[in-house]
Amino acid sequence: QVQLVQSGAEVKKPGASVKVSCKASGYTFTNYAMHWVRQAPGQRLEWMGWINAGSGDTKYSQKFQGRVTITRDTSASTAYMELSSLRSEDTAVYYCARSGENWGQGTLVTVSS
Amino acid sequence: DIVMTQTPLSSPVTLGQPASISCRSSQSLVHSDGNTYLSWLQQRPGQPPRLLIYRISNRFSGVPDRFSGSGAGTDFTLKISRVEAEDVGVYYCMQATQSPRTFGQGTKLEIK
Repeated sequence: QVQLVQSGAEVKKPGASVKVSCKASGYTFTNYAMHWVRQAPGQRLEWMGWINAGSGDTKYSQKFQGRVTITRDTSASTAYMELSSLRSEDTAVYYCARSGENWGQGTLVTVSS
Repeated sequence: DIVMTQTPLSSPVTLGQPASISCRSSQSLVHSDGNTYLSWLQQRPGQPPRLLIYRISNRFSGVPDRFSGSGAGTDFTLKISRVEAEDVGVYYCMQATQSPRTFGQGTKLEIK
């Protein structure tokens, strides 16, 4: 069955970067897009961007353009989301989602001085 | 960006009774390819979101048939025919017709 396993919780200082991984199994990794969505405390879900796992093409929400980078390693069936210049408002649970159908368990990123 | 608005924000329901959640988009969700990319997701407490319905009315794999979706254009509805205890959680509508994908603010389903 499809499984998306994300890396563990992170605590970062303002201005730092964080890189979250999402290891996929149970399907052909390169046949699907991988999306990244975040959920800040008490807020609605927020789409950040996606990567075509086959071609490597990416598309980002304008809100995060310039701060987010989504990559993938096809040999490891793993997608990555890196967010830079972190601020307290970036404290959230970050999810990967295969074409929006199957979701990872989430990674809590806390930004605090 | 397309704004998604859900009502109600909270829905207390008796077990075995039906429940209904509405979602309205700020513009039509009909894509140029003719499809309408409106989905419904369920998020149980402490869990990641789970896809229930895609393209308005198609149930995702493993989703019980008590869940159904309907609507067109800018107005959509998720219905649960008979609420069960495991249905407690927050429900989100999401549009993928236009980038960026956007979500409703969520409707909390709770048992009376």
